[in-house]
Amino acid sequence: EEQLLESGGGLVRPGGSLRLSCAASGFTFSSYAMSWVRQAPGKGLEWVSGISGSGASTYYADSVKGRFTISRDNSRNTLYMQMNSLRAEDTAAYYCAKAVRGGFFGYSWFDPWGQGTLVSVSS
Amino acid sequence: QSALTQPPSASGSPGQSVTISCTGTSSDVGGYNYVSWYQQHPGKAPKVMIYEVSKRPPGVPDRFSGSKSGNTASLTVSGLQADDEADYYCNSYAGSNNLVFGTGTKVTVL
Repeated sequence: EEQLLESGGGLVRPGGSLRLSCAASGFTFSSYAMSWVRQAPGKGLEWVSGISGSGASTYYADSVKGRFTISRDNSRNTLYMQMNSLRAEDTAAYYCAKAVRGGFFGYSWFDPWGQGTLVSVSS
Repeated sequence: QSALTQPPSASGSPGQSVTISCTGTSSDVGGYNYVSWYQQHPGKAPKVMIYEVSKRPPGVPDRFSGSKSGNTASLTVSGLQADDEADYYCNSYAGSNNLVFGTGTKVTVL
């Protein structure tokens, strides 16, 4: 069974940093692009970032470009998101998700999703 | 990139059908056949129900169907059941390495 398990969320002050992890199992991790999607409390889904299977190509939403860095360690079957210069509006549940279709993540749909990890940015 | 527009709510009685619209532009929904739909129950992760406009993943009932006309995609849930009560989000490739989600629709089974 394919599974994704996020960790690393928590409470951080504005301007602070946090690193999220997403541990994958049940599939050949390096063969699939991955993405992070977030959901602010009571709000809708927002795509945040994507990365190719090799890790060579990375993509970001304008709202996080220059502050967040997506990466992956295929030897550890783990996806990461380094979040710097955090703002109150970054408060959300962060989900990692596997792009089902091979190749470019943008042409794909996502399955499965992790259970999410909550990031709260507040003073 | 602006979110795709969905109605905030939709409802129907058990056994009835409900259709949710997802309106974008020629730069996203209208420009690509990479529209997917996700179901999200409270406190749970999203689950894909439709991909590439009208295709159903294994295990998704054929009561769920998708279509697209111009810049608007639609999800229809036929034969409404209690467990269909959830939030639904559309998603589209938006060019320039961007993805965009819809604003979300809460479906209530009366």
